[in-house]
Amino acid sequence: DAKTTQPPSMDCAEGRAANLPCNHSTISGNEYVYWYRQIHSQGPQYIIHGLKNNETNEMASLIITEDRKSSTLILPHATLRDTAVYYCIVRPWVNSGGSNYKLTFGKGTLLTVNP
Amino acid sequence: DSGVTQTPKHLITATGQRVTLRCSPRSGDLSVYWYQQSLDQGLQFLIQYYNGEERAKGNILERFSAQQFPDLHSELNLSSLELGDSALYFCASSVGTGLNEKLFFGSGTQLSVL
Repeated sequence: DAKTTQPPSMDCAEGRAANLPCNHSTISGNEYVYWYRQIHSQGPQYIIHGLKNNETNEMASLIITEDRKSSTLILPHATLRDTAVYYCIVRPWVNSGGSNYKLTFGKGTLLTVNP
Repeated sequence: DSGVTQTPKHLITATGQRVTLRCSPRSGDLSVYWYQQSLDQGLQFLIQYYNGEERAKGNILERFSAQQFPDLHSELNLSSLELGDSALYFCASSVGTGLNEKLFFGSGTQLSVL
């Protein structure tokens, strides 16, 4: 799987947008970008994923550059409950039942939302 | 609530002992994954099962073993425990069909080896 690079920590003011960058310059054509987050000692939580188009759901937006070498996760209106470690993960898409869809977690970005 | 249930939530035991961690996947999910999270190692993939069969192994010690039963619940067995095995153990499940695959994680079992 392609490696990702994220800043170790970021701060954001409550109510403002949080923009979390991720570099994945060695990404391959069949690899998706996934974002998960982990609130202190809880299980990781799926946020969003995408291949090359920008994606939006009820939690966040994912912006992927045209060359797919980097992406940005956007939390439009950060709250204190969004304080967590955010993981950017690149994983191949495999259309085969039972295949290994394991996620390889790096160190992520600790986002601290301040009041 | 992810729909993945792990028991027990906390486990305290002594070195040399054996413990079993249990995971019930989300209804309909065929794949189960086990992860270990310690302070210095982060989240480490241990092993994956799909519909009762082992599919992938990660950094799982020989003292550790797992299985997935016909009702799709899974157990992770840790034996000859050492102090360094103290960690959070997470189970995750997924549908296992490929398209738009997402992993859903349980709340974990905190293992303390004294």
